[in-house]
Amino acid sequence: EAQVTQNPRYLITVTGKKLTVTCSQNMNHEYMSWYRQDPGLGLRQIYYSMNVEVTDKGDVPEGYKVSRKEKRNFPLILESPSPNQTSLYFCASSLSVRGHSYNSPLHFGNGTRLTVT
Amino acid sequence: AQKVTQAQTEISVVEKEDVTLDCVYETRDTTYYLFWYKQPPSGELVFLIRRNSFDEQNEISGRYSWNFQKSTSSFNFTITASQVVDSAVYFCALSPNSVGSGNTGKLIFGQGTTLQVKP
Repeated sequence: EAQVTQNPRYLITVTGKKLTVTCSQNMNHEYMSWYRQDPGLGLRQIYYSMNVEVTDKGDVPEGYKVSRKEKRNFPLILESPSPNQTSLYFCASSLSVRGHSYNSPLHFGNGTRLTVT
Repeated sequence: AQKVTQAQTEISVVEKEDVTLDCVYETRDTTYYLFWYKQPPSGELVFLIRRNSFDEQNEISGRYSWNFQKSTSSFNFTITASQVVDSAVYFCALSPNSVGSGNTGKLIFGQGTTLQVKP
């Protein structure tokens, strides 16, 4: 089944303790991205990756890191989480944002609800 | 500025009623895409439709229909004969294609409209 898989679904942690949220897609998609969803603010892009080894900042990248060493994986790293990073996080992928597959729909994972105390 | 406005924060209807969710967008780009996503109580985001800026044909898929009007920058979503399972948060989103800043694949989301369908 074609899907974007995020883990964990729920995570409670303490301020300053490094964590990684994993994201994997099995659709051979070039493009991957991370969003956070907050009440009243909607969904905002954190980072995106056009392809392997190519990553770039979105609208709210502060406090986050990403890597794209393999096409299928795009982990989100919080080196020193803070309470203001408590949020619902979504990973997403699409075939490509260039060429004939321009702007194919984003497929989202099921979300990771992170609480930082 | 690139922006999506969903003025209706919450809508409550009784099952079998028709309901329209409004979406107004702002962009200076001539090429762009519009999307609707559904977020049920379980939390995932489900893709419903994508429409490019050159295609103003309305679309119908079962009980769902979409009305794209470029003249008013609107992309409204109608559910006919609503059902309890339609209860969810619905997001309208814009994917701009700004030549100046390049295409980042970013979706600009509206705030979402919470639809409650009561039995």
